[in-house]
Amino acid sequence: GAVVSQHPSWVICKSGTSVKIECRSLDFQATTMFWYRQFPKQSLMLMATSNEGSKATYEQGVEKDKFLINHASLTLSTLTVTSAHPEDSSFYICSASLTTPNYSTNEKLFFGSGTQLSVL
Amino acid sequence: AQSVTQLGSHVSVSEGALVLLRCNYSSSVPPYLFWYVQYPNQGLQLLLKYTSAATLVKGINGFEAEFKKSETSFHLTKPSAHMSDAAEYFCAVTHSNYQLIWGAGTKLIIKP
Repeated sequence: GAVVSQHPSWVICKSGTSVKIECRSLDFQATTMFWYRQFPKQSLMLMATSNEGSKATYEQGVEKDKFLINHASLTLSTLTVTSAHPEDSSFYICSASLTTPNYSTNEKLFFGSGTQLSVL
Repeated sequence: AQSVTQLGSHVSVSEGALVLLRCNYSSSVPPYLFWYVQYPNQGLQLLLKYTSAATLVKGINGFEAEFKKSETSFHLTKPSAHMSDAAEYFCAVTHSNYQLIWGAGTKLIIKP
């Protein structure tokens, strides 16, 4: 199946610094990419949806100035956590879709392996 | 509003024993249900999905799940566990387009 590469797999940073997480589709072009976060023992929560060449659509309650998403090409989306604080420590995971997704094509979602962010 | 509950953050079974991972959902409209698996250091991959066809759905690696509307459940089973089944399993529901509502995940531990 298609491969989505997410880097880094884990990162530790000081409070106030910014962290960039990359999500790459290695062997396909992803028209849409999704970013999720998961707190321990909780569900994955969709943060935002990004389409190549346009601004990301953020879910309610997600600060777009804090979580900057750039989807500059069909194979790369980045999530930058700006001025990170300890409460931003979480597991972040991206997924990429081959086409405009709907329920019948959810199997066309491919996930990265996630990034564990720890903010000291 | 939709929600998904996975009972048990960790499930431990012996190799060769039955695997049962529980998933209950709430949805005001007919749902579409999914099970995903994440092996260590890998991305999530789809195990199986229910989209209003047969209520018993067969997936990869010998897993299957049965949609029971009366019980609002979509439990995942495998008759005989294998060491390679050790992973984290996520149940998810959607009724419209792409936004999946996820359970918190269940880590499956296989004892030799």
